[in-house]
Amino acid sequence: GQQVMQIPQYQHVQEGEDFTTYCNSSTTLSNIQWYKQRPGGHPVFLIQLVKSGEVKKQKRLTFQFGEAKKNSSLHITATQTTDVGTYFCAGPVAGTALIFGKGTTLSVSS
Amino acid sequence: DTAVSQTPKYLVTQMGNDKSIKCEQNLGHDTMYWYKQDSKKFLKIMFSYNNKELIINETVPNRFSPKSPDKAHLNLHINSLELGDSAVYFCASSRAGQVNEKLFFGSGTQLSVL
Repeated sequence: GQQVMQIPQYQHVQEGEDFTTYCNSSTTLSNIQWYKQRPGGHPVFLIQLVKSGEVKKQKRLTFQFGEAKKNSSLHITATQTTDVGTYFCAGPVAGTALIFGKGTTLSVSS
Repeated sequence: DTAVSQTPKYLVTQMGNDKSIKCEQNLGHDTMYWYKQDSKKFLKIMFSYNNKELIINETVPNRFSPKSPDKAHLNLHINSLELGDSAVYFCASSRAGQVNEKLFFGSGTQLSVL
């Protein structure tokens, strides 16, 4: 069935370093969403990308949607300890529910 | 007020027992969901209800039975609990069952089956 793949599964960085997580779908997506889950918390919506090639920024976070609308990335510039958590991409399957990637868990040491 | 609230937060029980998890949203949303998150943090859709009607029923054992008495509530009843049911269960809601709607999650129920 349709899948949303996400890499890497884990990433450890030193505070101040950059971080990127990548998301790939086996099929074209109408949109892609990104969520953040803090340790012990619940997923919280970050952003949605809809257009081919779209780039959106939220402070130090940059989100991209591929030209073919099959891949996406989240880049964090100069990570801080508050960025710790698991980042999920999610895309709609068969026009219905959101299917989540397996997430990238980011740890940051100061 | 919490937008999506679910109870209990923790549930520890023995194999073979029956348990329920309750979820309520005060956002006025039409669609509610149950997701299961395993120990590797994988989030998997279980059920989706739109205005009290079952829309999505993934390949979930029939020991799991969702019930939506009204569009603000979606409860999950689990019969004959098994060790493999141990996970965090998240309730979520969205404004409508459209594929571009963002999800609002509850704080989760940590289920431990002993």
